[in-house]
Amino acid sequence: GAVVSQHPSWVICKSGTSVKIECRSLDFQATTMFWYRQFPKQSLMLMATSNEGSKATYEQGVEKDKFLINHASLTLSTLTVTSAHPEDSSFYICSASPLSGSIGETQYFGPGTRLLVL
Amino acid sequence: KQEVTQIPAALSVPEGENLVLNCSFTDSAIYNLQWFRQDPGKGLTSLLLIQSSQREQTSGRLNASLDKSSGRSTLYIAASQPGDSATYLCAVRNSGYALNFGKGTSLLVTP
Repeated sequence: GAVVSQHPSWVICKSGTSVKIECRSLDFQATTMFWYRQFPKQSLMLMATSNEGSKATYEQGVEKDKFLINHASLTLSTLTVTSAHPEDSSFYICSASPLSGSIGETQYFGPGTRLLVL
Repeated sequence: KQEVTQIPAALSVPEGENLVLNCSFTDSAIYNLQWFRQDPGKGLTSLLLIQSSQREQTSGRLNASLDKSSGRSTLYIAASQPGDSATYLCAVRNSGYALNFGKGTSLLVTP
């Protein structure tokens, strides 16, 4: 149980285009999902917290107009990188906490999406 | 702001050795601490979750300890195997749900 999927797993795009990444909780519902970014040999850094039915909460330094987050249902959150540039190339990972979980509940992570912007 | 540090950054050991990975954090007011495994280019696999009220957790050859007051955790791997080669990440949860990650320890177990 507790599987989180991401699509696509790999994406290569030209500079200036927009890319949408999906994060789905397959066998549980999640009111809250998280988006992380990981640069090579660096730690995972939280970008934003996605809340079902409300606006996402962005971490300091993350541009909300560039990284659009939509959490339209209890099983799906999407991250759209708008007008992508080479410096946005990174590994994007989402996680989700079950609806019934307490604050101590573990998060379940997706397999990640590797984005390469040319 | 919570800072999580992992030492060493990289480790290479021969198969069969026991080893210890270290994690330290600056803010001891945590809800829990979690150890993850990450294979190259892949997502995260949760290994062990220690609640703030707990001292240790065990799963197979893995044992994680937590000393909240000193801001430290260790992950002990017994009888290491080449399949254990991966990056091991320590993550701490304070208030809210978000996790604060260390940079990880890259482990290589040689046959």
